[in-house]
Order: sequence, then C-alpha cells, then structure tokens
Amino acid sequence: QVQLVQSGAEVKKPGTSVKVSCKASGYTFTSYDINWVRQATGQGLEWMGWMNPNTGTTGYAQNFQGRVAMTRDTSTSTTYMELSSLRSEDTAVYYCARESGFCSGGYCYKWFDPWGQGTLVTVSS
Amino acid sequence: EIVLTQSPATLSVSPGERATLSCRASQSVSSNLVWYQQKPGQAPRLLIYGASTRATGIPARFSGSGSGTEFTLTISSLQSEDYAVYYCHQCNNWPRTFGQGTKVEIK
Repeated sequence: QVQLVQSGAEVKKPGTSVKVSCKASGYTFTSYDINWVRQATGQGLEWMGWMNPNTGTTGYAQNFQGRVAMTRDTSTSTTYMELSSLRSEDTAVYYCARESGFCSGGYCYKWFDPWGQGTLVTVSS
Repeated sequence: EIVLTQSPATLSVSPGERATLSCRASQSVSSNLVWYQQKPGQAPRLLIYGASTRATGIPARFSGSGSGTEFTLTISSLQSEDYAVYYCHQCNNWPRTFGQGTKVEIK
C-alpha cells in the first residue's frame, strides 16, 4: 500500500540543525510532490514547503526561507527536510505528506494523502 | 497568502446529532478545498477533497459543500469515533494554508 515512513524522534540543542527523513513505498516516488507540515503541541497545522522528487525543485513558506532545505534520494525513494538554527519554538511534530490530485475540465484538484506518522523534534538546552 | 478561518473553534455535540463546521477563505479557492480529521497522537486523515468528494473509505455521514470562499463540513449523525479536530486546507494557491481547526467534543 501507499505509505510514507518517517525517521524517529530527535532532541536538539538551540542553534543546531535537524534532518528528518520520509521514505515512500507503494507508488512511483518521482510522480508525486512531497510536502512538509509541522504542528506544535496543541496547535494547528503549519505548511513548510514542497519538493518535486523528479526534478528536485522546491518551494518554501516565507516563515522558513533561509532555514529549511528539502532534498531527496531517488535511489531509496526518500525525501529529507533539514531545519537549521533551531530555537525552542521549533519544537513540534513534523509530517511529510504526498500531494495527490487529478485534473478535469482544465482544472486540477489537489490534496495531501497519505501522511507520514510524524517525527517529534524537541529543541531544548 | 490565503487565510482560512474556521468556526466555531469548539463544537459540543451529542452522539447521533448533526455537526456543521464552517471554513471561510480570504479569497476564492474555487473548489480546491480539503477537509482532514485529526485525533490525538495521529497524523491528519483525508476526509473530503474538491470541497465535496469523499475520500476512499470515508463514511457517507461526512459531506462537504461550498465553493469560492465559503465551505461547510457536515457530519450527519455523530459517532463516538468522530470526536476529533477537523482542519480545512486550500490547495488552490501557494503557499498552501490550513485553517486553525475546529474541535468536535462530546456534549
């Protein structure tokens, strides 16, 4: 079945970086964009950016410009999200999600499905 | 950036009753509006895409409607497993954005 499996929880010091992986299976990895979304404890969902695994093209939310980098390894069907200059406010669960969709009548509908199980990143001194 | 405003923030509903959740967009997203359900400790689960199409395996008691800037998610008869937080999400423009969520709790 279509599945995204993320790496395990991380504890990081302020000012350092974290790299979270998202391994895809059950579909052609290069055919669908991967998005990253984070969620602080008790808070809503915050979109961070996307990557096209075929071309490596990325797009980042303004809040994360200059601090986030999304990469991929097509040989292992894995996408990576690296966040640098970590601060306590970056403590959150980080999700990857496949952007699926279809086009009809010249219009394209998109949605995120499936999602990875989430990776808790804790930033603490 | 398109801002999605969900209301109410919390909805108290008795089992078997109807729940109506609202999502308003700051500008038109056509019908490119998605609804997710999230339970504690779990990733969001796709419910509705294209404003009104149920995802595979989603029960018929969930329905979505609307277009442009006004959208509604209706749960016709609440079951115990439906108590959760619901998010709307627009995939029409960049950046992708989410509403702040509506928590459906037991009355």
